[in-house]
Amino acid sequence: GAGVSQSPSNKVTEKGKDVELRCDPISGHTALYWYRQSLGQGLEFLIYFQGNSAPDKSGLPSDRFSAERTGGSVSTLTIQRTQQEDSAVYLCASSLAGLANGDTQYFGPGTRLTVL
Amino acid sequence: AQKITQTQPGMFVQEKEAVTLDCTYDTSDPSYGLFWYKQPSSGEMIFLIYQGSYDQQNVTEGRYSLNFQKSRKSANLVISASQLGDSAMYFCAMREGQRGAQKLVFGQGTRLTINP
Repeated sequence: GAGVSQSPSNKVTEKGKDVELRCDPISGHTALYWYRQSLGQGLEFLIYFQGNSAPDKSGLPSDRFSAERTGGSVSTLTIQRTQQEDSAVYLCASSLAGLANGDTQYFGPGTRLTVL
Repeated sequence: AQKITQTQPGMFVQEKEAVTLDCTYDTSDPSYGLFWYKQPSSGEMIFLIYQGSYDQQNVTEGRYSLNFQKSRKSANLVISASQLGDSAMYFCAMREGQRGAQKLVFGQGTRLTINP
């Protein structure tokens, strides 16, 4: 079946502009996660959604970052007033939360964001 | 304190040899899961293997096995009969808490290079 998809694959923007990154999880997966991978920081958790529960936003680095998940499926990560330090690869993952598979997270190909 | 430590920034191995990638973890939660992911140059995170904290035996998936030593808090990945296609970054990650949607904490990764 189809894996996690993300768009765009690459995004170049100017400092101060807003950007939206999209994630389409594996069909039927109830949990969706966003991570950020940058050279200096490795892989960092940003936010996750699980069913109808309130999202865990504990990893969002500032209030310029927000995310939503509509209809329990597609998610959008929004970064307002982008800064150069926001440049990174943004990875989305999804999982069948709560089942006896260790809740393995399957990742999408990522969006490479470059802020000029 | 680092929750996941990978002490080998880079490793070079001859093709067909076995290789062990080290991972130690730190948690006080009795319930946790340990994961290994492979990230080739294309950038996508590929799930390799999972070990739960209550699993009694080490897990094996094809050429991958996880050497889980709970008392030492280590979860080393063993790749048998290495192949050129195994060249990639390898990340160890941990999920704390009960099964279900939980964020992953990643180590800094090990870059594995397989020489012909």
